[in-house]
Amino acid sequence: DGGITQSPKYLFRKEGQNVTLSCEQNLNHDAMYWYRQDPGQGLRLIYYSQIVNDFQKGDIAEGYSVSREKKESFPLTVTSAQKNPTAFYLCASSQEGNYGYTFGSGTRLTVV
Amino acid sequence: AQSVTQPDIHITVSEGASLELRCNYSYGATPYLFWYVQSPGQGLQLLLKYFSGDTLVQGIKGFEAEFKRSQSSFNLRKPSVHWSDAAEYFCAVAANSGGYQKVTFGIGTKLQVIP
Repeated sequence: DGGITQSPKYLFRKEGQNVTLSCEQNLNHDAMYWYRQDPGQGLRLIYYSQIVNDFQKGDIAEGYSVSREKKESFPLTVTSAQKNPTAFYLCASSQEGNYGYTFGSGTRLTVV
Repeated sequence: AQSVTQPDIHITVSEGASLELRCNYSYGATPYLFWYVQSPGQGLQLLLKYFSGDTLVQGIKGFEAEFKRSQSSFNLRKPSVHWSDAAEYFCAVAANSGGYQKVTFGIGTKLQVIP
């Protein structure tokens, strides 16, 4: 079945370390997105990519980086510059012209 | 810029009772509107969407939503709630922004279902 796979489901990071969250989709969707979810704040867009080798900053890109070398993959790196990285991270994808998103099951990142 | 307001942070209903979750949006043109559901520790699942046409939209799991342009609302309804409907519900609005489909989510309404 087609879908989006996020890994790992839980991730612990020490302060000062970079960490990379994986997002893979087999839906043949063009666009992919990363959101951060915090209690009471809904979903906030970090980065998005509409095509391979191109991506744009969202509303809260500081302290994060991404790459889109393959259509299927859109990894997110949380750098040591992100001041408050503990959150639930969601990856999503969509087909051009179809505004409905397909979401992965998320990665919960905790800084220890 | 578009925005979404979900005025109810938390709602409790009895199993078998009807449900209505409120959503108000702000957008200058005809919006694309969505409702998503999220179970604890999971991603979001699309319940239904409105693009145009019939203002009453049917979705999965027995949910429906009605688009009311005059009230800038897109409320989600279900005639009889089941315990498995306990989850968090997000309303969203999408619009073109420089060739990109920008989607703005509400902060969510957490639904509790009691026996």
